[in-house]
Amino acid sequence: AQTVTQSQPEMSVQEAETVTLSCTYDTSESDYYLFWYKQPPSRQMILVIRQEAYKQQNATENRFSVNFQKAAKSFSLKISDSQLGDAAMYFCATGAGSYQLTFGKGTKLSVIP
Amino acid sequence: DAMVIQNPRYQVTQFGKPVTLSCSQTLNHNVMYWYQQKSSQAPKLLFHYYDKDFNNEADTPDNFQSRRPNTSFCFLDIRSPGLGDAAMYLCATSRVYVPSDTQYFGPGTRLTVL
Repeated sequence: AQTVTQSQPEMSVQEAETVTLSCTYDTSESDYYLFWYKQPPSRQMILVIRQEAYKQQNATENRFSVNFQKAAKSFSLKISDSQLGDAAMYFCATGAGSYQLTFGKGTKLSVIP
Repeated sequence: DAMVIQNPRYQVTQFGKPVTLSCSQTLNHNVMYWYQQKSSQAPKLLFHYYDKDFNNEADTPDNFQSRRPNTSFCFLDIRSPGLGDAAMYLCATSRVYVPSDTQYFGPGTRLTVL
């Protein structure tokens, strides 16, 4: 079984600044994947970034990057040059062994103009 | 654009009155999922299909049922909605059943039970 913990229910960031969202997870699987999904208000959840656990290199997608610490079971998301469109709920999730994603409770990110 | 569509976006029903939520996809994905998401909580998986092969999670209430008549469409039926069933219902798809595969979500249907 997997568990995902997001300890920050809400965060805010000034436009153009950098923010880091925290996520810790637990799994007994040796092969697993980690995801950050973004859910804007009244819009669909979309994948932001994915990390394969067997890869040591941290994934990056434009302004989004992760800090994957496998031993610590930590998977944080860094958003650089924050934009108003980044305001959303962010869910950390893990997938291992089967079809099912295990989600955290989410972090609501506000971007201050 | 290929996508996951959910109708209606907002649904109001009365306590005990059956309701059906629909989902369609143009991605031609084999797998479809239904999640329930309550306020400030993680999405909770209710059902999933690989093609027409149906699976429900062990803790999905008996009050919930699902149908997938073809690859493109999937329905969530709530037979006798209670106040505790008020939530956002998310439909998602993926190409196959592997943990690395991206899930594509619809915008959700927000269900209100009066």
